Amino acid sequence: DQQVKQNSPSLSVQEGRISILNCDYTNSMFDYFLWYKKYPAEGPTFLISISSIKDKNEDGRFTVFLNKSAKHLSLHIVPSQPGDSAVYFCAAIQRAGGTSYGKLTFGQGTILTVHP
Amino acid sequence: DVKVTQSSRYLVKRTGEKVFLECVQDMDHENMFWYRQDPGLGLRLIYFSYDVKMKEKGDIPEGYSVSREKKERFSLILESASTNQTSMYLCASRGGGRIYGYTFGSGTRLTVV
Repeated sequence: DQQVKQNSPSLSVQEGRISILNCDYTNSMFDYFLWYKKYPAEGPTFLISISSIKDKNEDGRFTVFLNKSAKHLSLHIVPSQPGDSAVYFCAAIQRAGGTSYGKLTFGQGTILTVHP
Repeated sequence: DVKVTQSSRYLVKRTGEKVFLECVQDMDHENMFWYRQDPGLGLRLIYFSYDVKMKEKGDIPEGYSVSREKKERFSLILESASTNQTSMYLCASRGGGRIYGYTFGSGTRLTVV
């Protein structure tokens, strides 16, 4: 039962263009979403997050959009740079009424390759 | 700078061996987690702990156990290693309150032969 899904295993874009990574979820109780970035042989690092009370959050070149009715979120990277090449994971958590343990549910990941 | 340290970056073990993966955090976090990462499957939760000596099963606990004798240390144990446990193992910790993100260690690439 995959509650968080990233249906695109990989994405290839040209440097300077926009990268759009997508994520869908099925559990309507999720109310907070995060994106992590992972380089090979390193642990994932936090990138950006969004609460379910918002539909957009921006941090520099990174913007996350949330469409609650569609249970869909996306990460936009503009402009893309070769150093952005990594695996990107979306994650979700149920805060309201959930446990205090803060258990994140992750998607399968999308490999982003940005070509110079 | 906060840190989660995993004792080994690469390990090669034989089938049937008992394997210990160690994780230490210096942030005084209550919650600690063990995930494994496999291509196409993402990060799957094996076990987590919300306090010393407390543990909960995650989504794929079979073949694993954990130990948390001290707040800063969370160990993952493979009782009898098998080839399908070859994977990247990631430890993470999280403080309480309104911070929901994890801090991850660098991972341990385990190969069981």
